[in-house]
Amino acid sequence: GAVVSQHPSWVICKSGTSVKIECRSLDFQATTMFWYRQFPKQSLMLMATSNEGSKATYEQGVEKDKFLINHASLTLSTLTVTSAHPEDSSFYICSAQNPRLASILQETQYFGPGTRLLVL
Amino acid sequence: AQTVTQSQPEMSVQEAETVTLSCTYDTSESDYYLFWYKQPPSRQMILVIRQEAYKQQNATENRFSVNFQKAAKSFSLKISDSQLGDAAMYFCAYRVNTGTASKLTFGTGTRLQVTL
Repeated sequence: GAVVSQHPSWVICKSGTSVKIECRSLDFQATTMFWYRQFPKQSLMLMATSNEGSKATYEQGVEKDKFLINHASLTLSTLTVTSAHPEDSSFYICSAQNPRLASILQETQYFGPGTRLLVL
Repeated sequence: AQTVTQSQPEMSVQEAETVTLSCTYDTSESDYYLFWYKQPPSRQMILVIRQEAYKQQNATENRFSVNFQKAAKSFSLKISDSQLGDAAMYFCAYRVNTGTASKLTFGTGTRLQVTL
């Protein structure tokens, strides 16, 4: 299967600082990456869809100026949480997909291992 | 809007036994995909099985199989010969087939416990 990595896996920061999370597709080119947020014991909530070379599409209720997404290459997307506050503490997960791939890879999203953010 | 419902917040199964996790969904689309993802304590989302809506044959992956009932909009997951490593959160997910990448809609999850 396709492999997606995230860095860092764990981050603690002070309130008011910005945090950048990287999502990389290691063995395939991801034309689209998705960013999710997951609170404890809850399901995944889609925050935004990121297409390579285009502006991200944000879900309703997600502040695009607070959660900056950049998808500058086919293997890397970044999520920057700007001026982080304790309520931004959560588990952030990215996934990657390339619908132009052959076979079963094309319709499947492959997930990174997630990044746990704690804002003090 | 598409919705995915998992009505069982928790399930328990004995090792080596069989368990079925339920999932229903609501959509007006005819061409879509359905997935079951597993999230163990590490929180890494792992694809368990996928089903294409236009295929009548139920998908099977080793000990995992689905019962896909398109008319009833039901997509249950059967785990046979349950193992301790199967203990995890299981999420049912739906994605419409647009020919391009499109977002997944997840259910609320079912926590599966496997006992000795």
